[in-house]
Amino acid sequence: DSGVTQTPKHLITATGQRVTLRCSPRSGDLSVYWYQQSLDQGLQFLIQYYNGEERAKGNILERFSAQQFPDLHSELNLSSLELGDSALYFCASSVDDGSQYFGPGTRLTVT
Amino acid sequence: GIQVEQSPPDLILQEGANSTLRCNFSDSVNNLQWFHQNPWGQLINLFYIPSGTKQNGRLSATTVATERYSLLYISSSQTTDSGVYFCAALYNFNKFYFGSGTKLNVKP
Repeated sequence: DSGVTQTPKHLITATGQRVTLRCSPRSGDLSVYWYQQSLDQGLQFLIQYYNGEERAKGNILERFSAQQFPDLHSELNLSSLELGDSALYFCASSVDDGSQYFGPGTRLTVT
Repeated sequence: GIQVEQSPPDLILQEGANSTLRCNFSDSVNNLQWFHQNPWGQLINLFYIPSGTKQNGRLSATTVATERYSLLYISSSQTTDSGVYFCAALYNFNKFYFGSGTKLNVKP
């Protein structure tokens, strides 16, 4: 158990809908990262937050947004969902830019 | 951005064998990490190794930053080592790039 929790574990929704994925980092970790893993694109970095502020941005679509709250948990919002958004979404946390610890992931299926 | 290339893409080993996985990156990076994704999908951090050598039990890793590569050594492999091994590089302090992974199958 990495200490990083993600909810929900599975999510099935329809095209055009909006969903929110939640991540709670390990105790004491200030950085939260979001990743997408799909069969055709592999693992892709989406975005990083550090102590509530956006720190780095990867291949995150404009339909996607994220935030980190004062209690350091983070949410990833995915809107206007398309079939191609079906993937595993991982959250990771770290103290700073060091070793990252991953949550179990949320499997999103868009039908 | 940068290119992160891993080799070999697939590896089949007999239990007890040793192996070396390689990760090449196309530009200088700020840090380099190795992860293992087990058959159940869980990603586990193995090493944070921007340079030098580290060891953890049967696993060790070496990064030669000046030559832009990192190696992961697995000794006396076990069936529980099966899964996909990823390296990930932090570039320009603001983006992480993953390799496409090495899929390892250790047979009993």
